[in-house]
Amino acid sequence: SQKIEQNSEALNIQEGKTATLTCNYTNYSPAYLQWYRQDPGRGPVFLLLIRENEKEKRKERLKVTFDTTLKQSLFHITASQPADSATYLCALASSGGYQKVTFGTGTKLQVIP
Amino acid sequence: NAGVTQTPKFQVLKTGQSMTLQCAQDMNHEYMSWYRQDPGMGLRLIHYSVGAGITDQGEVPNGYNVSRSTTEDFPLRLLSAAPSQTSVYFCASNRHTANTGELFFGEGSRLTVL
Repeated sequence: SQKIEQNSEALNIQEGKTATLTCNYTNYSPAYLQWYRQDPGRGPVFLLLIRENEKEKRKERLKVTFDTTLKQSLFHITASQPADSATYLCALASSGGYQKVTFGTGTKLQVIP
Repeated sequence: NAGVTQTPKFQVLKTGQSMTLQCAQDMNHEYMSWYRQDPGMGLRLIHYSVGAGITDQGEVPNGYNVSRSTTEDFPLRLLSAAPSQTSVYFCASNRHTANTGELFFGEGSRLTVL
């Protein structure tokens, strides 16, 4: 069956360090992969999208990599700040149906001052 | 722009009651969808629509009905609420019918079924 796995354990890092979050998937042929941020009690907010033919995407302090051979995406936040503390969700849209976007369970990031 | 607006924010129901969660967007997006979010389960797609008059099922459609009579509105109906439907519900929209690109989410509706 199709599965998206994100580390369910919280990730605690020191302010100023680079946070790296992992998204692994099985039994998917993703057309694209997205990362969202979700704060407690709020809806997810879109951060970045990377397509299957792209290896890396950057936006300010954020960087996403996409390895379709390893079936993995890495999400990096450089020079992390306490304001980056949130849950980060990975989402996949299969080439067979963009309408059905599937989300991982998310990884909670805590940046310690 | 208000974006995606969901009402109510909180609701408590008794088993067997019916209710409708409202979702409206003012961005003229063709694609709209409903997700539920449960601890340890992530966001799961309930129903989606690619335009007025067109709806389709997602991953967990049982117990829920939807309709799309206008581009702006996409209500989610629970005909006979069950405790298993206790969850946080999110409505999302996308400007592309093909849903390529970012989803815009509402702030969620927290439903408790006793």
